[in-house]
Amino acid sequence: QKEVEQDPGPLSVPEGAIVSLNCTYSNSAFQYFMWYRQYSRKGPELLMYTYSSGNKEDGRFTAQVDKSSKYISLFIRDSQPSDSATYLCAMSAGGTYKYIFGTGTRLKVLA
Amino acid sequence: DTGVSQNPRHKITKRGQNVTFRCDPISEHNRLYWYRQTLGQGPEFLTYFQNEAQLEKSRLLSDRFSAERPKGSFSTLEIQRTEQGDSAMYLCASSAKGGETQYFGPGTRLLVL
Repeated sequence: QKEVEQDPGPLSVPEGAIVSLNCTYSNSAFQYFMWYRQYSRKGPELLMYTYSSGNKEDGRFTAQVDKSSKYISLFIRDSQPSDSATYLCAMSAGGTYKYIFGTGTRLKVLA
Repeated sequence: DTGVSQNPRHKITKRGQNVTFRCDPISEHNRLYWYRQTLGQGPEFLTYFQNEAQLEKSRLLSDRFSAERPKGSFSTLEIQRTEQGDSAMYLCASSAKGGETQYFGPGTRLLVL
């Protein structure tokens, strides 16, 4: 079993829809939770960073962490075709500094 | 541009050849990381430097792989006697002292024929 599980998709939604992306994890030591966006053949771009449990909002993006369920989510409101990319969750226990990534979910927003 | 830069962006080589990649982190970031990403997978941690010290190496980093950061600034990743299984995107990231967030470069895409 992988430490971080993420549905690879692809996920297709119409423009303007609310998108929900999720990851589950097994390591209770994880304290830092990140979401990255990766366009084809490009490096990952940091979208959201959350420490411990709770919600964080930045523009159209909201990140949620539920440590009791070992479950994190990224919501994208008013999705745009330019949001079409692969979304990677990443986690860290802190101290070790290395990130453990999910496989990524491919998202396609249809105009 | 003050982001992480990587060179070359693409490398095609024949099996058995040696290759070297370079990463220039964000200025004043003292931590530097190397990851490898294969098609349809997330990045996998390879190694991590704090300043010039290599503090952690993954089991993925076989003895054919070596990484250096001689002056605590740029880093190089060398793969000796390349194999077809080494074909992947090699990503470099950096983070500031006391910071948890890692910023990634554009990657070097390696194809071993």
